[in-house]
Amino acid sequence: EVQLVESGGGLAQPGGSLRLSCAASGFTFSNSWMHWVRQAPGKGLVWVSHINTDGSTTSYADSVKGRFTISRDNAKNTLSLQMNSLRVEDTAVYYCARAPISMTDWGQGILVTVSS
Amino acid sequence: DIVMTQSPDSLAVSLGERATINCKSSQSVLYSSNNKNYLAWFQQKPGQPPKLLFYWASTRESGVPDRFSGSGSGTDFTLTISSLQAEDVAVYYCHQYYSIPLTFGGGTKVEIK
Repeated sequence: EVQLVESGGGLAQPGGSLRLSCAASGFTFSNSWMHWVRQAPGKGLVWVSHINTDGSTTSYADSVKGRFTISRDNAKNTLSLQMNSLRVEDTAVYYCARAPISMTDWGQGILVTVSS
Repeated sequence: DIVMTQSPDSLAVSLGERATINCKSSQSVLYSSNNKNYLAWFQQKPGQPPKLLFYWASTRESGVPDRFSGSGSGTDFTLTISSLQAEDVAVYYCHQYYSIPLTFGGGTKVEIK
């Protein structure tokens, strides 16, 4: 059974940092492109970033480019999202997702709240 | 950026009746080299992560009931629920994975009339 478990969320101040992690199991992590998608309270889905299988290719939404960094550790089956210079508008539930084609499997999500 | 526009924003359908959701992309998501539409549909119930229903516009994900169907090509796509069940109450999103940035439609909320 595929499992994706996010951790590392919580409350951060504007300008602060958080690091999200996504622990993967039940599939060959090193063969899967991975994504982060976020959803502000009561709003729709917004793609944040993705990373290819070996970590050599990454992409970001313009809204997070230069502030967020996606990475992966295939030895530990872990996906990460380093979030710096956080803004109030980054407040959302963050999901990691596995994408053999489209986003087939999703974690339960982790809430990030940016507030002073 | 490819803008995904869904309609309607919400709809209320009687149990057993048909529900139809439309999705229009601002440019084609049909990749000519493999003739595939890079379009997916997701269902999201309250408090849950999204669930993939269709990819390649019309390929049903394993376990999705056959009352759900996906159709369309190029820029115009449709998700149809042929006979609405109570468990289908959710928000539905279309999503293009043709080009970066990946984008989602705004969502369509389906309720029981």
